[in-house]
Amino acid sequence: GQQVMQIPQYQHVQEGEDFTTYCNSSTTLSNIQWYKQRPGGHPVFLIQLVKSGEVKKQKRLTFQFGEAKKNSSLHITATQTTDVGTYFCAGRRDYKLSFGAGTTVTVRA
Amino acid sequence: SQTIHQWPATLVQPVGSPLSLECTVEGTSNPNLYWYRQAAGRGLQLLFYSVGIGQISSEVPQNLSASRPQDRQFILSSKKLLLSDSGFYLCAWSPLMDRGTDTQYFGPGTRLTVL
Repeated sequence: GQQVMQIPQYQHVQEGEDFTTYCNSSTTLSNIQWYKQRPGGHPVFLIQLVKSGEVKKQKRLTFQFGEAKKNSSLHITATQTTDVGTYFCAGRRDYKLSFGAGTTVTVRA
Repeated sequence: SQTIHQWPATLVQPVGSPLSLECTVEGTSNPNLYWYRQAAGRGLQLLFYSVGIGQISSEVPQNLSASRPQDRQFILSSKKLLLSDSGFYLCAWSPLMDRGTDTQYFGPGTRLTVL
């Protein structure tokens, strides 16, 4: 079946530094979505990528969809304490949206 | 605007007791509805999804069941809870695929502890 893998599982970042989290699928995806879950909260939609090689930016966050539509990345620059949380990717193939296990980000001030 | 409600927010239940979690959506019609479970520090496990009234698809066989008695109401149930049923239960909705987006909007969740 379709699997979506995310790495790393945990990311400890010094405030002000950059980091990247990766999402890989075993099958080609029709789209990929990213969600953020703050500690104690529920996942909130961030962005959706549909086209091969697509890149989208939201302030300090850059999202990329691979050329083969099997992988994606989220790059955060100049990390802030407000970036704390778990970032999930979710890949859609046919009717099903499969979530990765998430990357949990902690920030050292 | 659309809103999604879940209740209760927290629940502590003994092993072997029944369960009923409710989710309702406002401000949209014919949504796709989903139940997820998230174990502590883990990812999202899809339990059930529904594309219409009375239409339920189960992703994981277990002692849980789901029902959709009305268009915007989704209920998660169990006749006898197990310790392993503890977790954070999230309801989500998404528009129909032909509306151009399939973003999922999550409710606030129910934290269930089975003792």
